[in-house]
Order: sequence, then C-alpha cells, then structure tokens
Amino acid sequence: GENVEQHPSTLSVQEGDSAVIKCTYSDSASNYFPWYKQELGKRPQLIIDIRSNVGEKKDQRIAVTLNKTAKHFSLHITETQPEDSAVYFCAAFKTYKYIFGTGTRLKVLA
Amino acid sequence: SAVISQKPSRDICQRGTSLTIQCQVDSQVTMMFWYRQQPGQSLTLIATANQGSEATYESGFVIDKFPISRPNLTFSTLTVSNMSPEDSSIYLCSVVAGENTEAFFGQGTRLTVV
Repeated sequence: GENVEQHPSTLSVQEGDSAVIKCTYSDSASNYFPWYKQELGKRPQLIIDIRSNVGEKKDQRIAVTLNKTAKHFSLHITETQPEDSAVYFCAAFKTYKYIFGTGTRLKVLA
Repeated sequence: SAVISQKPSRDICQRGTSLTIQCQVDSQVTMMFWYRQQPGQSLTLIATANQGSEATYESGFVIDKFPISRPNLTFSTLTVSNMSPEDSSIYLCSVVAGENTEAFFGQGTRLTVV
C-alpha cells in the first residue's frame, strides 16, 4: 500500500524566513497531493494542493512543488509569520483514500 | 465544500465501556472516513464507511472493536468498544467532496479512557 514519509518532524524558523517541508510517497498511482494545516485543538484545513499533471503551484506565500519521477513533493512557505505556527500534514490520494504523512510541527519565532 | 458536525467533542469514559461518535454532513457523500489521531501524531485511517454496505477496515482495526454504521448518505457513527486507556485519542470523521477531491474533517472527538 501507499506510504508517505514527511520531514522534518519539527521545524523552527525566524519570522520572515522561509520554511520547507518535504514528503515522499511510494505509490506511483497516487494523483493528488494536498497539504493540510492543523492548529492546536482544531481540525485539519487544506492550504494548498497539487495534481500529478502539474509541477508547481503557488498561492501567495505558499507554494507546492511535485517531482513525479522521484515521487516527492514539497511545501514552501515564504515570509513566515507567527500565525503560520501549526502542524502541517502532507497527503497522497488515490481512489478515494488519503494516506497522510507523519506531520511537521512548525514554530515561527517572533 | 462540505460541513461536518461531529459529536461529542470530548468525553471521559471508564474502561470496558463503549462510546459512539456521530458525524453529520451537510451534503450527500458516497464515502465517509474515520481516522484516529494520537496526541502529536498523524492521522491513521481506521475504516471507510459506504452507505448500504459494510465498512472497509484498515490493517490493525477490526469491526468488533470499531463497529461503524452508515444508514444514509449524510450520517455515520463510529463506536469504540470495550475501551482501554490505549484507546485514548482524537477520532475524526472525514469526507471527500467537490471536484478537487478535497478532504473535509469534523472537529474531532477527544476521548480519554480512565
């Protein structure tokens, strides 16, 4: 079955710096790769996603890149702000099943 | 999009008892998913609930421990049976909706077994 690895598990950055979180997946049939942000005590919320026929997608300070050949995708957050502090999960999706990565706890230091 | 109402939001239960968690969706969806999230951990899929058929369980999860009902296209329940402290976790229901196949989540049920 699908396996999604995510790194790093924790990440601390200074406010204004960039943060990068990386994920790899194992099933080449996975075709949709969303990123979810989960604040403490709250439900996961979609922040950006990318489909397998696209290499890069950007939404303001957030971007996602996908390398299908290498089976890895990354989340890039630029100009980080304290409100970006949360746990971020990547996921791989195939045939109505999501497999989530292990999560990255991002701390943005003011 | 989809809005999911999940309850209870939290509960403290005695070991050996059972708790049923309910999820109501504001639109009809084919599949509903149940996840477990240990504190500080990722989301682990327990089972997929289809209306009109038995739920499909992931490896490590069995129907006797986590029976699921799916009586219609907007509602599902997950029961955590014969609970032990190891069952203490957050349980989330989820649906996939919209043309982008985005996953939407309930607000979660924080279960503590004492």
